[in-house]
Amino acid sequence: GQNIDQPTEMTATEGAIVQINCTYQTSGFNGLFWYQQHAGEAPTFLSYNVLDGLEEKGRFSSFLSRSKGYSYLLLKELQMKDSASYLCAVRDGDYKLSFGAGTTVTVRA
Amino acid sequence: TAGITQAPTSQILAAGRSMTLRCTQDMRHNAMYWYRQDLGLGLRLIHYSNTAGTTGKGEVPDGYSVSRANTDDFPLTLASAVPSQTSVYFCASSGTSYNEQFFGPGTRLTVL
Repeated sequence: GQNIDQPTEMTATEGAIVQINCTYQTSGFNGLFWYQQHAGEAPTFLSYNVLDGLEEKGRFSSFLSRSKGYSYLLLKELQMKDSASYLCAVRDGDYKLSFGAGTTVTVRA
Repeated sequence: TAGITQAPTSQILAAGRSMTLRCTQDMRHNAMYWYRQDLGLGLRLIHYSNTAGTTGKGEVPDGYSVSRANTDDFPLTLASAVPSQTSVYFCASSGTSYNEQFFGPGTRLTVL
């Protein structure tokens, strides 16, 4: 089975940095994805890691350590529009995605 | 560009009735997926299709069936709805199983 853990909620101030951690134990590994989901909307793709290390894309960065079963999503220069749920998803050996329950980030002025 | 569309947007259904949720994509993606999203549980895969003519079971397939007669359409059918199937249903597609998935806007289903 798949086990993907991430914190339920995080709160941060506008302009600050927030790091969302994700740990996983899955049967096979073929990449880790982060999605953003605003309330009442569909998830949208943010980042993808398949090799160890940091992937940077503007204000968002994602890190992966396969040996530790660990990833984080780093959100820099937080804006009010970044208030959303962030979903960690692992692609298993059969190339299907398993999602964590999501982390709700609230950005305060 | 439409991307992925789902219908209906929302539905209230009496227990025991059947219902088909529609999903259509215009990106010529080979792979399509159905998920349900429940509070505190995240997205769970119901069924998937890697290419037209093939389907597979996901994590929570019981009570649901799918078909993939062509590339664009991937309907999800509830043969006899039960209250535990109350959820938000998302359809998604990807070019192949290697690519990131794109999600439709969702269908909010309430079974009473």
